[in-house]
Amino acid sequence: GQQLNQSPQSMFIQEGEDVSMNCTSSSIFNTWLWYKQDPGEGPVLLIALYKAGELTSNGRLTAQFGITRKDSFLNISASIPSDVGIYFCAGQPRDNYGQNFVFGPGTRLSVLP
Amino acid sequence: DTEVTQTPKHLVMGMTNKKSLKCEQHMGHRAMYWYKQKAKKPPELMFVYSYEKLSINESVPSRFSPECPNSSLLNLHLHALQPEDSALYLCASSQDGWNYLGETQYFGPGTRLLVL
Repeated sequence: GQQLNQSPQSMFIQEGEDVSMNCTSSSIFNTWLWYKQDPGEGPVLLIALYKAGELTSNGRLTAQFGITRKDSFLNISASIPSDVGIYFCAGQPRDNYGQNFVFGPGTRLSVLP
Repeated sequence: DTEVTQTPKHLVMGMTNKKSLKCEQHMGHRAMYWYKQKAKKPPELMFVYSYEKLSINESVPSRFSPECPNSSLLNLHLHALQPEDSALYLCASSQDGWNYLGETQYFGPGTRLLVL
């Protein structure tokens, strides 16, 4: 189906470390979106990807649209305490490119001082 | 400006109350969405409006009633809710939802609803 998997499910890292997380699907996606959500708040869009192979940066964040169009990666460099939160990937499947955005289950990031 | 606003921020209601959640965007987007989110889970789609018409209803109980007065506003009317309906309700918008080349969806801050 058009489910998204995210890994890792959760991670604990030391402040200053780099972080890598990914999002995979068994079907092809046209769009990948990465969001960060703090408790009780709405998801905030970090990076949007639209083309296979696309590599986009937003400050210390870098995300890539996988060449197979079935995955995407998000990297955070030199983590800081405010990076704590849940990171969701979302996308529009190629075969259902309408208004259904599919969400992954999230990666929970904890940063230890 | 990529802002979606939602009011109220918090809402406590009894099971016999009627209340409404409001959402507004001024990005010229023509697709607007309501999601429900439980703790530690991803958002679950409830409704989609496209060009002010309801285009998706994900089998949501009739105690939730959406309304789109115009292209910038989206309401969610609540009546006779159950305690299990307590959740974070998120509004989002995108260009029009049908852009094959890719849509970007922006979320509001959410309304935290508690049903007693």
